[in-house]
Amino acid sequence: AQSVTQPDIHITVSEGASLELRCNYSYGATPYLFWYVQSPGQGLQLLLKYFSGDTLVQGIKGFEAEFKRSQSSFNLRKPSVHWSDAAEYFCAVALGNFNKFYFGSGTKLNVKP
Amino acid sequence: DAGVTQSPTHLIKTRGQHVTLRCSPISGHKSVSWYQQVLGQGPQFIFQYYEKEERGRGNFPDRFSARQFPNYSSELNVNALLLGDSALYLCASSSGLQRVTTGELFFGEGSRLTVL
Repeated sequence: AQSVTQPDIHITVSEGASLELRCNYSYGATPYLFWYVQSPGQGLQLLLKYFSGDTLVQGIKGFEAEFKRSQSSFNLRKPSVHWSDAAEYFCAVALGNFNKFYFGSGTKLNVKP
Repeated sequence: DAGVTQSPTHLIKTRGQHVTLRCSPISGHKSVSWYQQVLGQGPQFIFQYYEKEERGRGNFPDRFSARQFPNYSSELNVNALLLGDSALYLCASSSGLQRVTTGELFFGEGSRLTVL
């Protein structure tokens, strides 16, 4: 069965520090991978996606993610976190025809001033 | 351009009642999906509709049903509400099903349902 695991429920980083949010997936075929961000009172917004090709993908707001097939991982990174990055982040896997997305349970990011 | 709009934004129901949630997709999008997000968890897939036909169904009981209208808007219906149905219900639209699309889901802000 398909699953997405985000092992960190909460993460706190200082403003300006680097960030890495972990995501592992279990899926038999070539995955289509996404990271979404959810700010309070707002809908989910796409940060970046991986379909194929270069395993390091760039997204909005200075985020990037690296797909590692051998580790079944798709970790999200940002070199320098801003206070406005405080939100909840969700990793997701889509099936081949994009008719169903599986989301992880989310990682809540707090940013210390 | 308007994004995905959902109504109502908040509602309170009692156990056993019925609820209808509504969603208008982004103009030009033909696919609508529904997700349930329980507090502290990620969204869980309920349904996907494309061109008014059900194209995917998640692991939810038959109390949950949906439909899509000719203008591509959609309704999610839940009958015989249980306390455990309390959640944020998210609607997402996308341009289509095929891999040639961007594959991106555009989410509304959700309808928060509280069942007492």
